[in-house]
Amino acid sequence: DAGITQSPRHKVTETGTPVTLRCHQTENHRYMYWYRQDPGHGLRLIHYSYGVKDTDKGEVSDGYSVSRSKTEDFLLTLESATSSQTSVYFCAISESNVGSPLHFGNGTRLTVT
Amino acid sequence: GESVGLHLPTLSVQEGDNSIINCAYSNSASDYFIWYKQESGKGPQFIIDIRSNMDKRQGQRVTVLLNKTVKHLSLQIAATQPGDSAVYFCADNGSGGYQKVTFGTGTKLQVIP
Repeated sequence: DAGITQSPRHKVTETGTPVTLRCHQTENHRYMYWYRQDPGHGLRLIHYSYGVKDTDKGEVSDGYSVSRSKTEDFLLTLESATSSQTSVYFCAISESNVGSPLHFGNGTRLTVT
Repeated sequence: GESVGLHLPTLSVQEGDNSIINCAYSNSASDYFIWYKQESGKGPQFIIDIRSNMDKRQGQRVTVLLNKTVKHLSLQIAATQPGDSAVYFCADNGSGGYQKVTFGTGTKLQVIP
């Protein structure tokens, strides 16, 4: 799994509660990404990071924030979880934002009740 | 962003036969293409990539063909095994970076024993 660990692997939370998902890499890759995957949709980019403290929004960033204080860690926070954020979340890393493959973690299954 | 799509949602193949999974892309400027395999409950796994200066690239039991004229990719799996059962999807990453990449929903490969 290219040295990517996501935690937790599963989480059930209630609407309105904050949730933080963690991605940890041991590859020292510069780029890190958060995607969500839902039935009928391909992977959709939430936020990405191109270095420590350097982040930008993706296609579906509303309701999410991220932080990257260290090269190896990329956190995804749902400030106030909603049922529409029930999904499987994948973290990915790459050496470059172009011309090199993404390597994915095994995902976090989040259920918001 | 540019779109990448797949022709067939499900492909059933007899064990031992060869599998061919197709993918169309729309961005004629794309110069880097990637195939992923996603098994149930796991994150996408990088299989093979190809750059636009190549027409064909071979890996272990897999071959990717690129036809830039018709903007078409295919993934060929030789001697398909039960462990090949998964969803396969492609992505193209040109100069825009992964924030411009749209992932398709994939083709499900079912291997019949």
